[in-house]
Amino acid sequence: DIVMTQSPLSLPVTPGEPASISCRSSQSLLHGNRFNYLDWYLQRPGESPQLLIFLGSNRASGVPDRFSGSGSGTDFTLEISRVEAEDVGVYYCMQALQTPYTFGPGTRLEI
Amino acid sequence: QITLKESGPTLVKPTQTVTLTCTFSGFSLNSNGVSVGWIRQPPGEALEWLALIHWDGNRRYSTSLRNRLTISQDTSKNQVVLTMTDMDPVDTATYYCARGGVRGILGYWGQGALVTVSS
Repeated sequence: DIVMTQSPLSLPVTPGEPASISCRSSQSLLHGNRFNYLDWYLQRPGESPQLLIFLGSNRASGVPDRFSGSGSGTDFTLEISRVEAEDVGVYYCMQALQTPYTFGPGTRLEI
Repeated sequence: QITLKESGPTLVKPTQTVTLTCTFSGFSLNSNGVSVGWIRQPPGEALEWLALIHWDGNRRYSTSLRNRLTISQDTSKNQVVLTMTDMDPVDTATYYCARGGVRGILGYWGQGALVTVSS
């Protein structure tokens, strides 16, 4: 199975300031079709997870443009340009290159 | 509008088998590229991917749980069913179903169903 790691595991931030979360995989997530099969999800307190970013860098429908994803191969980053109060929650990366899909341990963003 | 909703028992005893149903609307599991998967989350812990079924009937499972899981679909009812055998207290979790694409992209999630395993 592909192992996913994230850092930091806890991220205190100030509203209006940027935030960055790192995700690493034990194997390259770059497919031969040149897509990186890496998703980012946000789980707000008491809610179901929601898709933020797919294929490493594509924002899901309705996701504010302050969220951006980058990276390739084994190293990926989720960036929030200016954190807002509603961004509080746990952020997970998930690889979908091969099954079983695997999630990272999550990064708790708190204000 | 795409919706998914999980249903099943809230309390099961150790060693029992649990059957969870994901009832969805707004899409067809017969559509090319569509998948429905199950993910669980123990209280206060991280997400764990369990299983998925593709539009073509292809099934995939968690490596550690594959011997205990069965995923199936009832296309006529727009349902995906997950069966887990030999339940243990460590299986206590909220179980989510989600609609995905060919690989990942779990764009729609259900509200989750809490299953507690206790004698």
